[in-house]
Amino acid sequence: EVQLVESGGGLVQPGGSLRLSCAASGFTFSSYWMHWVRQAPGKGLVWVSRISSDGSRTAYADSVKGRFTISRDNAKNTVYLEMNNLRAEDTAVYYCASGEKIGVNVYWGQGTLVTVSS
Amino acid sequence: EIVLTQSPATLSLSPGERATLSCRASQSVSNYLAWYQQKPGQAPRLLIYDTSNRATGIPARFSGSGSGTDFTLTVSSLEPEDFAVYYCQQRSDWPYTFGQGTKLEIK
Repeated sequence: EVQLVESGGGLVQPGGSLRLSCAASGFTFSSYWMHWVRQAPGKGLVWVSRISSDGSRTAYADSVKGRFTISRDNAKNTVYLEMNNLRAEDTAVYYCASGEKIGVNVYWGQGTLVTVSS
Repeated sequence: EIVLTQSPATLSLSPGERATLSCRASQSVSNYLAWYQQKPGQAPRLLIYDTSNRATGIPARFSGSGSGTDFTLTVSSLEPEDFAVYYCQQRSDWPYTFGQGTKLEIK
């Protein structure tokens, strides 16, 4: 059974940092691109970042470019999202997601809530 | 950035009725259009990918069609569990984008 389990969310002050983790199991992690998608409370879905299967290629939404960094450890079957200089508008549930086809997310985690507030 | 516009924002129907949801792209996405269903407190669930391919385990009452800039998700006969929010999503160009969602509610 495929599982994606996010962790690391919580309450942080504006300007602060958090690192999210997503532990994967049940599929060949090292062969799949991984993605982070977020959803602000009561709002729609926004694609945040993606990373290639070997970690050599990354991409970011303009709203997080320069502040967020995606990375992965294929030995640990884990993808990360390092978030710096957090803003109130970064408050959201963050999902990690993946699938056989790049950009088609058949696998989703349960999400982790990040709240940026003073 | 490719903007996806979904219509209607809210669709009120009864179980057994047919639902037709639309998604229009600001530029061609070829056939790289997917549909997701999301229920409160849950992660999205992939229904359709690349316009018309049903994901594993998705009932045949869900179908997708379209090409270029205009796409449709059809639910042929609504079941009680189908009432949820539906999002379209393109993977033609980065950043991948979602539509704003259509809420399918019970009439």
